[in-house]
Amino acid sequence: AQKVTQAQTEISVVEKEDVTLDCVYETRDTTYYLFWYKQPPSGELVFLIRRNSFDEQNEISGRYSWNFQKSTSSFNFTITASQVVDSAVYFCALRGGVRGAQKLVFGQGTRLTINP
Amino acid sequence: DGGITQSPKYLFRKEGQNVTLSCEQNLNHDAMYWYRQDPGQGLRLIYYSQIVNDFQKGDIAEGYSVSREKKESFPLTVTSAQKNPTAFYLCASTSGSLGYTFGSGTRLTVV
Repeated sequence: AQKVTQAQTEISVVEKEDVTLDCVYETRDTTYYLFWYKQPPSGELVFLIRRNSFDEQNEISGRYSWNFQKSTSSFNFTITASQVVDSAVYFCALRGGVRGAQKLVFGQGTRLTINP
Repeated sequence: DGGITQSPKYLFRKEGQNVTLSCEQNLNHDAMYWYRQDPGQGLRLIYYSQIVNDFQKGDIAEGYSVSREKKESFPLTVTSAQKNPTAFYLCASTSGSLGYTFGSGTRLTVV
């Protein structure tokens, strides 16, 4: 079975602080894909990043960075110099294998609040 | 522009009523999915369909039903057997190329 755990239910920081959102996953597949989505108050899911299991390079996109470590089954997300507009619920998700139903399995989400 | 349209945005259901949530996509995607979101529980898979006229149960299918008569459409019916239907419902689709598109959701409330 596949599982994603986001242990941090809520995080609240002051603007300009750095913040890391944790994601730990479980899968028996050797090929799998990890995702991060942002959900603003309006409700739609905004795609942030996708990473496959063979690419452990960390990625940086502006103030966002992702740390993928297969040894610890983690795919953590860091926001540097946070801004109020970063306030949202963030989901980590996993899709296993190259065949099958292509289902996304989501973590419980982390509600991030950036205070001015 | 291509995308997924979910309607209505807000829906109110009386006890014992069946209601149907609409999900339409013009992306020519083969696979479609329904997720339910409750506070603190993330998104849980209700049903999914990989091809027209075929669908499978997800993790929480009890009290729900779906159909996939057209590639573009994947409606979800919340039946009276669903004891706690108040939630936010999201529809998604994919072509299999690892890109998923989500609708803007339907918020269902039991009154």
